Amino acid sequence: GDQVEQSPSALSLHEGTGSALRCNFTTTMRAVQWFQQNSRGSLINLFYLASGTKENGRLKSTFNSKESYSTLHIRDAQLEDSGTYFCAAEAGNEKITFGAGTKLTIKP
Amino acid sequence: GPKVLQIPSHQIIDMGQMVTLNCDPVSNHLYFYWYKQILGQQMEFLVNFYNGKVMEKSKLFKDQFSVERPDGSYFTLKIQPTALEDSAVYFCASSLLDEQYFGPGTRLTVL
Repeated sequence: GDQVEQSPSALSLHEGTGSALRCNFTTTMRAVQWFQQNSRGSLINLFYLASGTKENGRLKSTFNSKESYSTLHIRDAQLEDSGTYFCAAEAGNEKITFGAGTKLTIKP
Repeated sequence: GPKVLQIPSHQIIDMGQMVTLNCDPVSNHLYFYWYKQILGQQMEFLVNFYNGKVMEKSKLFKDQFSVERPDGSYFTLKIQPTALEDSAVYFCASSLLDEQYFGPGTRLTVL
């Protein structure tokens, strides 16, 4: 079965608001990456975490290996944050498994 | 940050022909990967490559697929012969240790 369960599949936010995306893992993962796929299809690295929490501007991500989940928080959303966000988790064999993605739409 | 380049950005090819997708990984990286994303779907792992060898491949990495990195040049994905279901965006990635950096993708259309 799927090892990475990402939710929600779609999310709509008004500018200036915030929310959280989540990935649950059905097996122990060693690390997680978060990406934003922009309108041109390119993948932008947002975070790489082996544990704990990282923050970058309006984004914050947490990875809890013991409880098998990771979150990506977005605050003060801007129009350019629109895109599809993927988490990708590594089980320890240099292969990463992607979540199904969250399509984020930011409305004025 | 580190840049991975992919050439070409788009490729249109007739079914049955051969195609080679090229990846220029980050210069000091050691591990190389290919992923496939069919339009509107999630990214799927194809293969990873280290020290001149395939380390792991998925069920999507059919017999018609091959990878190589001759003399430290481009990391290539060759499909021979191509099939209609090979139409997708193919992403290359490279890593030194754990964190993978992705190229912009090559959109392959098989007619």
